Parts: sequence; C-alpha cells; structure tokens
Amino acid sequence: AQRVTQPEKLLSVFKGAPVELKCNYSYSGSPELFWYVQYSRQRLQLLLRHISRESIKGFTADLNKGETSFHLKKPFAQEEDSAMYYCALSVLGARYNFNKFYFGSGTKLNVKP
Amino acid sequence: DAGVTQSPTHLIKTRGQQVTLRCSPKSGHDTVSWYQQALGQGPQFIFQYYEEEERQRGNFPDRFSGHQFPNYSSELNVNALLLGDSALYLCASSLRREVSEQYFGPGTRLTVT
Repeated sequence: AQRVTQPEKLLSVFKGAPVELKCNYSYSGSPELFWYVQYSRQRLQLLLRHISRESIKGFTADLNKGETSFHLKKPFAQEEDSAMYYCALSVLGARYNFNKFYFGSGTKLNVKP
Repeated sequence: DAGVTQSPTHLIKTRGQQVTLRCSPKSGHDTVSWYQQALGQGPQFIFQYYEEEERQRGNFPDRFSGHQFPNYSSELNVNALLLGDSALYLCASSLRREVSEQYFGPGTRLTVT
C-alpha cells in the first residue's frame, strides 16, 4: 500500500543552521513527490516537486529511489522558514488515469533566533 | 482572484446528522479534490472530481459523497455523521492538465458532537 512517512513531528534548529526534513515513501511504481508548506494562519501551498528539480526559497529535495526517500534540505535556515511541512506522494490511479494523493503527517519546523 | 474558497468556515453537527460543505475553485481550474485532515495528521484524500464525475477515491466509506457543478464548484456530503468525522475538510483545485499543482482552500472545521 502507498504510504508517506515523516518521522519527526517537530524539528527545532537555530537560524543559520542546516535543515533536513525527512520523508520516506512506499510505492512500487514510479512516484511523483512533493513538499507542501503551511505558514502560520495561511493555507497549505505547494513548495516544490521532484520533477521540477528546482530550488524554492533555498530549499531542495532529491528523490532517492533506492532509499525511497525525498528529504527536504536547506543549508542555512531562516526564521521565516518556521512552518508546518508536509511531504506528499501522487500515484496514477487505475481509473480514468487520474491521480491519488497521499500526505505524510507533517513536520513542524521551528527556527530559533 | 480570491483563490479557492470554502464555506462555511466552521460547523457543528450532531452525531447521525448530514452535512454539506461547499468549495469554489480558483478561477480557471476545472478539477476539485477533497481532503480530510484530523488534528495532528496530514490531509487524507477523499475524492477528486472532473467534468462533474468522481474520478478517483480514497479509502472513505460511501457515507462520503460529492458533486461537481457545471461551473466547477463542488460539494462534499457526509451522511450519518460519526464523532470521528470531526476534522478540517480541505478543498483543492487544479487544472486537469496540471493536476499535481493543487491550490488549497482555507478549509471547513467540522465538529460532530
């Protein structure tokens, strides 16, 4: 069965320190993975997706199929990075060629001054 | 563009009752997905609508049903409410050709007593 695991509920780092938010997935097919972010009092929004291979707000994420991981990294954390981060997996359903989405339980990142 | 809008913001219902939640997608979007987010958990995919038909469904019982209208807006209906249905219900919209780039609404907080 498809599943997304984020092992850390809370991650606290100091400003300027490196950040790594862990995400592991289980899916036998070809995965499409995303990171979503939710800042305080804002709605959930897409941060980045693995097919884009881009850096957004200094964050990057590399898909490692061997380890079935998609960890989110940033070399120097900023206070404004404090938010809830969700890893998500999109899989192509058998019906109608539409996708199903699976979210992890989220990691709260707290960047201390 | 207000983005994705949802109504009502909050709702309190009694066990056994029925509830209808509403969603208007972002302007130009034609695909709507619904998610249930319990406290401390990530969003769980309920179903997705396109061209007024349910195209994908998550692991939710038939008590959860939906509808999409010709103007792409959508409703989520839940019958025979259980205490465990208490959650934040999120609507997300996207374009069919870019279904993975979802825009989320603020959610409807449903409390079942």
